[in-house]
Amino acid sequence: DTGVSQNPRHKITKRGQNVTFRCDPISEHNRLYWYRQTLGQGPEFLTYFQNEAQLEKSRLLSDRFSAERPKGSFSTLEIQRTEQGDSAMYLCASSSSGGGAYNEQFFGPGTRLTVL
Amino acid sequence: GNSVTQMEGPVTLSEEAFLTINCTYTATGYPSLFWYVQYPGEGLQLLLKATKADDKGSNKGFEATYRKETTSFHLEKGSVQVSDSAVYFCALSRAGGTSYGKLTFGQGTILTVHP
Repeated sequence: DTGVSQNPRHKITKRGQNVTFRCDPISEHNRLYWYRQTLGQGPEFLTYFQNEAQLEKSRLLSDRFSAERPKGSFSTLEIQRTEQGDSAMYLCASSSSGGGAYNEQFFGPGTRLTVL
Repeated sequence: GNSVTQMEGPVTLSEEAFLTINCTYTATGYPSLFWYVQYPGEGLQLLLKATKADDKGSNKGFEATYRKETTSFHLEKGSVQVSDSAVYFCALSRAGGTSYGKLTFGQGTILTVHP
């Protein structure tokens, strides 16, 4: 297993267009997280899946954003009617859930979105 | 709500200098605390962690001690190398409920080490 992968790595789009990002977690991990990171800031939590269930969504996730994890494996994050303020790095992370008070999250390389 | 505050501004050091990056947090209950590192062109990697008060996390010569009384988790290294140049993020997570494992990050500190 080569870790968490994200595609595409870079996306440039025009304002108003829809975009979709994909995340493939580490295969045995049942937890999957999406974060957003803007320039000069730390990542901010967007949403969390346990298997296929979306258990938490941040207030940052407006109704233009939707995330799915249909079979409890890969996940997609879609942004509809993109705005320039959506320009950011979108990070995916996965972890296991068995044992202990904390299970390390492994991050993917991110998808950098630029909205023109 | 939960929050993490890191020291402001980039840090520039000469090789073999002593490093401290300050981190303080606000959280209810007993969070777990972490330092993540982001090397140029790479993804976030866990550097070290501490899950209860007075625990010391350590890795690659870096150390941080979970101080509940001062709500701090300062990162230290006795002798930095050029290869330590990266962005360092302090973070916390709280157990329980549907927020289990969700990370709250500080804004990051850019470290540049010169030969």
